[in-house]
This record gives sequence, structure tokens and C-alpha cells, in this order.
Amino acid sequence: NAGVTQTPKFQVLKTGQSMTLQCAQDMNHNSMYWYRQDPGMGLRLIYYSASEGTTDKGEVPNGYNVSRLNKREFSLRLESAAPSQTSVYFCASSEDSNQPQHFGDGTRLSIL
Amino acid sequence: GEDVEQSLFLSVREGDSSVINCTYTDSSSTYLYWYKQEPGAGLQLLTYIFSNMDMKQDQRLTVLLNKKDKHLSLRIADTQTGDSAIYFCAESISGNYQLIWGAGTKLIIKP
Repeated sequence: NAGVTQTPKFQVLKTGQSMTLQCAQDMNHNSMYWYRQDPGMGLRLIYYSASEGTTDKGEVPNGYNVSRLNKREFSLRLESAAPSQTSVYFCASSEDSNQPQHFGDGTRLSIL
Repeated sequence: GEDVEQSLFLSVREGDSSVINCTYTDSSSTYLYWYKQEPGAGLQLLTYIFSNMDMKQDQRLTVLLNKKDKHLSLRIADTQTGDSAIYFCAESISGNYQLIWGAGTKLIIKP
């Protein structure tokens, strides 16, 4: 019963390095999401994919790109990491819009 | 714009009931959600209520929705140490993929 799986769980990068965060879901959900969580700020949506083949910007898309590789997988890429991108990143999926979102365990990313 | 507000902390004694409150501004919400986040973990969907309902009960959890006042609450009966976590309220808006999130309420259990 895997649900939403994120890799890696932890990562340390140097400023300017690039990195791709992976996310896969096995619930046959149409919609997938990437969030970042910072202390005292709750969750902020970076990008989402309403269905396979589509992606849209969320609240804080700058500095990130995404790829909806297929129905199962949705990746998040940092092209040139900055210290301000130090955060915990969560991937989520839902059957459709307005349906409950199910979360992965997160990727803890530190950028030095 | 849309906003969801929660108190940052709630402290209760073990065995008492906990009531976590949330207010929201958008009246076109479809679902309202409660998520639980334990330290170092992801967000776990606890329960949710459709916007045309007033109440939903699930074992120790009771959700109350007052649409007139745009107020949502989560009651946890017989609070245990395992309930210690951050609880997030979130609202979904019809036709919008983005959930509107509160900042979370940290529930602290006193022995």
C-alpha cells in the first residue's frame, strides 16, 4: 500500500547545483501537486498537474520546473538551487480536483 | 482574497477533549479538510466534510461546520499522547485545483 512515494528523503546541495525530486503514485489519480513547507507558513503550492499532459503554475513557481512524465509520475526540478529554496517539499495526488489530496512523506532539501 | 486562519497552538490535558478551530473566507468552498502532521512526517488526511453538511463523526473525531459564520472545528475526544501533532485545515474551492491552507495548529498534550 505505497500511496505517494517521494525520492530522495534528504538532500544537501550547493548553491547553483541542479536537482530533480521524484514523485510517483499508485492510486491511478489524475491530479498531482508539488508543495513546499516552510516554518510558520503552512503549505504553498509550487506547480500542479490537473491530468496527464498538463501542468500549471501555483503560488510560488519561480525557480522550479515540473514534468508530468506519465499518469503515475510527476517530477520537480531545481535548475540552479538557491538558499531560499531550502525547505521541505511534498508531493500529493488526488483523484480529481476538489477531491482529497494524499501526500508523500516529503523531501528535506538544504541548500548551502 | 481567500484565506484560512487557525490558532498556532492548543494545549490540553491527556484524556480531555481537544477542539481545534478554523475560519475561512470563501463561501464557494466545496470540501473542508483536516490533515494531521506528526514530526518529520508527511500530511495525513484525517477527515473531511462536504460543504452542505453540518457535522461528521468518525470514532473520536467530530467535525462541525457553520457555513453562516464560515467556521470549521475538529473535536478530538479523549485526547491521547499520540494525538500530539500539527493539524491543518484546508478548503477546496469549486473549479479550483488549489487548496487554501491554514498555517496549522500545534496540539500539545499535557500529562
